[in-house]
Amino acid sequence: DVKVTQSSRYLVKRTGEKVFLECVQDMDHENMFWYRQDPGLGLRLIYFSYDVKMKEKGDIPEGYSVSREKKERFSLILESASTNQTSMYLCASSLYKSTDTQYFGPGTRLTVL
Amino acid sequence: GENVEQHPSTLSVQEGDSAVIKCTYSDSASNYFPWYKQELGKRPQLIIDIRSNVGEKKDQRIAVTLNKTAKHFSLHITETQPEDSAVYFCAARSSSNTGKLIFGQGTTLQVKP
Repeated sequence: DVKVTQSSRYLVKRTGEKVFLECVQDMDHENMFWYRQDPGLGLRLIYFSYDVKMKEKGDIPEGYSVSREKKERFSLILESASTNQTSMYLCASSLYKSTDTQYFGPGTRLTVL
Repeated sequence: GENVEQHPSTLSVQEGDSAVIKCTYSDSASNYFPWYKQELGKRPQLIIDIRSNVGEKKDQRIAVTLNKTAKHFSLHITETQPEDSAVYFCAARSSSNTGKLIFGQGTTLQVKP
């Protein structure tokens, strides 16, 4: 059974703080993704990675960066948090580039004050 | 750019009725179309998917149809039950072969007992 975990369910930060969101998967998946979920906007892709130390921009990368030092871990970094980054953040993973099923983590509800 | 439009944004049905959610996609090379269900407070989970070489797929009370010419696919839920209440997301796989999915905006389905 695939397990994707995220470091926090709820997080409250102040404007300008540096924020780290961690995601870990235990099934040796190659692909990992970060999305943000906002009402009426669906799931929007921020960044993804298909290998260690590899990353690609998604549809809304501005204000975010990522790190993938180990295959099982994919971190999302908000260098200087802003109020418009208040959102639900979902991590996902899939086995290979060519396989399609994405498995999601439980999400982190981030509030930036 | 690649885009998936999903309608309606909200849908309310009586228990036992059918529900239909529709999506259109822009990339004619997309070849994989999953549907995810997200119950309140939980992670999105894959419920059914279809590939471009198939026109219809069924799994018990849920079915998905695909019209490649019109670039349109739909989720059909028959004999709805209160536990079907959730947010449903359609998605289309990007033709760029990175494993990237483009998600629709989501449909909140409410099944009234």
